[in-house]
Amino acid sequence: DVKVTQSSRYLVKRTGEKVFLECVQDMDHENMFWYRQDPGLGLRLIYFSYDVKMKEKGDIPEGYSVSREKKERFSLILESASTNQTSMYLCASSSGIPPLGYTFGSGTRLTVV
Amino acid sequence: GQNIDQPTEMTATEGAIVQINCTYQTSGFNGLFWYQQHAGEAPTFLSYNVLDGLEEKGRFSSFLSRSKGYSYLLLKELQMKDSASYLCAVYQGGKLIFGQGTELSVKP
Repeated sequence: DVKVTQSSRYLVKRTGEKVFLECVQDMDHENMFWYRQDPGLGLRLIYFSYDVKMKEKGDIPEGYSVSREKKERFSLILESASTNQTSMYLCASSSGIPPLGYTFGSGTRLTVV
Repeated sequence: GQNIDQPTEMTATEGAIVQINCTYQTSGFNGLFWYQQHAGEAPTFLSYNVLDGLEEKGRFSSFLSRSKGYSYLLLKELQMKDSASYLCAVYQGGKLIFGQGTELSVKP
């Protein structure tokens, strides 16, 4: 089974802090994604990457950046955390070949105070 | 623009059948996925439709009409463990674009 591991299950950070969310997958997938999930809004795509050192903006990239230095690792960075970034963050990876779709990590619940 | 609509909440009775609808208007379409997500857990894959028609997999079936921009997920013989969120997502250029999800509550 593909495993997508997110480094933290729960995080509490202060406004203005720089926050790193880490995601690692073990199935040699090219594609990796970061979503945030909020009640009533569903999953919204923040950034994605189809290859090492490659990144593309999703629908809501403002306030975020990403890093993909190795194929298995995709990091989401909040440059200066704000309270409106309090959310559940989900990482996913895929081979890009349906119907397998995505495999998701268990999520990181981030609270910014 | 991109628009994917699902009902926010549904309630059904154990043993019954429930249909969760999803309509979409997107700039591209390479298939439609349904995921199940229990509270506090990651979404898990249920079904994928790329051609029109019905795909059946045990108690779950999914239907697609590309001309109507419409899909539904049909759950039969409902069990309490089916209480979860059901996410409709359009596959487009290697990305998944999600609707807001439907929270299904199964009552005894």
